[in-house]
Amino acid sequence: QSVVTQPPSASGTFGQRVTISCSGSRSNIGRNFVNWYQQLPGTAPKLLIHGNNQRPAGVPDRFSGSKSGTSASLAISGLRSEDEAEYYCAVWDDSLSGRVVFGGGTTVSVL
Amino acid sequence: QVQLVQSGAEMKKPGASVKVSCKSSGYTFNSYTMHWVRQVPGQTLEWMGWLNGGTGNTKYSQKYQDRVTITQDTSASTAYMELSRLRSDDTAVYYCGRGYSAFDPKIDLWGQGTLVTVSS
Repeated sequence: QSVVTQPPSASGTFGQRVTISCSGSRSNIGRNFVNWYQQLPGTAPKLLIHGNNQRPAGVPDRFSGSKSGTSASLAISGLRSEDEAEYYCAVWDDSLSGRVVFGGGTTVSVL
Repeated sequence: QVQLVQSGAEMKKPGASVKVSCKSSGYTFNSYTMHWVRQVPGQTLEWMGWLNGGTGNTKYSQKYQDRVTITQDTSASTAYMELSRLRSDDTAVYYCGRGYSAFDPKIDLWGQGTLVTVSS
């Protein structure tokens, strides 16, 4: 079971907005930056959001991140078929001598 | 071209060790950290550790610290991850990834992954 928790799935129709949550604690999300990754089947993860809400160059502004307290969220607006993927949050956790923790992943489907 | 290229798939027997390489190009290798992350098929990502390219310092997940060793050859711009005493549940895809900070998993460049299969 992951230290940071994500819903296993999320879905929406074409053009809709979908939000994925990432729930943690004071030792991780509560005091450190949250990053989000997109992983298409059979490929390496791709950085979508870093520093809670910063998009790397080339990531569409349809993707946005936010954080409040010990939770973070990734929003995908204007949902497209190419957004069907697995999404992971990742954050440094200060417990157990420090480590990176990933959420369990959320499968996004476009209906 | 900025990229990380990993070594090819490995098949190992239980109890053996595996060493995966990750060759960087297109950027200054020792200006970044290198993370190693693994993914058992169908499961989430799991962090194993990182190496500071500038200092050579390492940080390992407590789960793996007695079995994993991350090293580098700066002259070859290559990082290595060696996992010992392999078990069948170590069958996974192993990724290297370029990071910026020791305590922030911002990984903006990933290798293609190396499948390690552990089977008798």
